[in-house]
Amino acid sequence: EADIYQTPRYLVIGTGKKITLECSQTMGHDKMYWYQQDPGMELHLIHYSYGVNSTEKGDLSSESTVSRIRTEHFPLTLESARPSHTSQYLCASSDPYGYTFGSGTRLTVV
Amino acid sequence: AQSVAQPEDQVNVAEGNPLTVKCTYSVSGNPYLFWYVQYPNRGLQFLLKYITGDNLVKGSYGFEAEFNKSQTSFHLKKPSALVSDSALYFCAVRDGGGADGLTFGKGTHLIIQP
Repeated sequence: EADIYQTPRYLVIGTGKKITLECSQTMGHDKMYWYQQDPGMELHLIHYSYGVNSTEKGDLSSESTVSRIRTEHFPLTLESARPSHTSQYLCASSDPYGYTFGSGTRLTVV
Repeated sequence: AQSVAQPEDQVNVAEGNPLTVKCTYSVSGNPYLFWYVQYPNRGLQFLLKYITGDNLVKGSYGFEAEFNKSQTSFHLKKPSALVSDSALYFCAVRDGGGADGLTFGKGTHLIIQP
């Protein structure tokens, strides 16, 4: 039933690798967000976008980068993964009525 | 700046009893308030929201929340708890006149004991 999709669901990767976490939504929402969440912990906004070619950094500093070339697609990239990047990453989109979250990507960097 | 406080890390309730998960907020403008639930290794599921209108909001799975402007609170409630309600609950706020990102509380673990 989800209208926002994140892949992969789980990822284990070695230190120094470049990774891209995918997020796509089919609702036509202009606004999209990335949140980072440590296990059982609060969520922190790391990136957001108001539409195509718009990207902004969130409240929590992150070494990741994002792009928004198409309305439906908002990928997050880590150029060189480190163990400190181990976390869950949640993508969301919104319209004036509310927010929809993806199922998340659980990233482990070894 | 906007902020959310969930003062309890964990709430324990016996099955069949009423439950309350507390949330207070701070925004400079009109608050948009949300409750989400998260099950282990899953994303966030929307429960309910307050934008405007009646202070008592009814949501999914029998949950409701009451917006109290004078106390800046938005406590989540359910009349009769189920074991399946055990999960991590997040309160979130955004300033109706400000930036669009949600600010989340740190979450409350709700444990329903059989």
